Amino acid sequence: DTEVTQTPKHLVMGMTNKKSLKCEQHMGHRAMYWYKQKAKKPPELMFVYSYEKLSINESVPSRFSPECPNSSLLNLHLHALQPEDSALYLCASSRTPDGTGVNEQYFGPGTRLTVT
Amino acid sequence: AQKVTQAQTEISVVEKEDVTLDCVYETRDTTYYLFWYKQPPSGELVFLIRRNSFDEQNEISGRYSWNFQKSTSSFNFTITASQVVDSAVYFCALRGRNYGGSQGNLIFGKGTKLSVKP
Repeated sequence: DTEVTQTPKHLVMGMTNKKSLKCEQHMGHRAMYWYKQKAKKPPELMFVYSYEKLSINESVPSRFSPECPNSSLLNLHLHALQPEDSALYLCASSRTPDGTGVNEQYFGPGTRLTVT
Repeated sequence: AQKVTQAQTEISVVEKEDVTLDCVYETRDTTYYLFWYKQPPSGELVFLIRRNSFDEQNEISGRYSWNFQKSTSSFNFTITASQVVDSAVYFCALRGRNYGGSQGNLIFGKGTKLSVKP
């Protein structure tokens, strides 16, 4: 089973709202990732969690706040977003965070976020 | 610096035609990994293949085949007898050997949009 699930599938929020995106995997993977993808562009890495600890923050604005409650779950808390933050948010996981061995990333279906 | 170039932005073929998607990469790492992902209109990125830099064997999986050539830094993807369900954006990606900062992250090409018409 190589399934990564994400909820919700679609989200519309105002600039003053607070919302959260959720991601879950049960493959025993110890690295989890958040990506942002704008239309007709490749995914851009936002955050990497390695063994439940934040290891990479790609200079993401503080209005995006990641959280990894346990090895299976990854959240992205959203607050005071801007319309330009509207995008597809993808979660991914891999067996380990490092570059050795079998380490492909498996992606979830994404959350389409619209900020009004 | 690491870079992935997918020069073909869009390709349109008629069903049952063969189609090749090009991928050229740049890296200074001696050990690295190359990937292909498929992204249908639904949005999910589907992992297709991983190739290690020390394994230059070509691979075939059903109608899909991959040609890895280190001499030309290319990792091309061919779909034989294309079908409408193959319509998607295909991304080639590169990951270096060492993890740390951006070096261990996936570097994506800009993607090739494939449209297969009936």
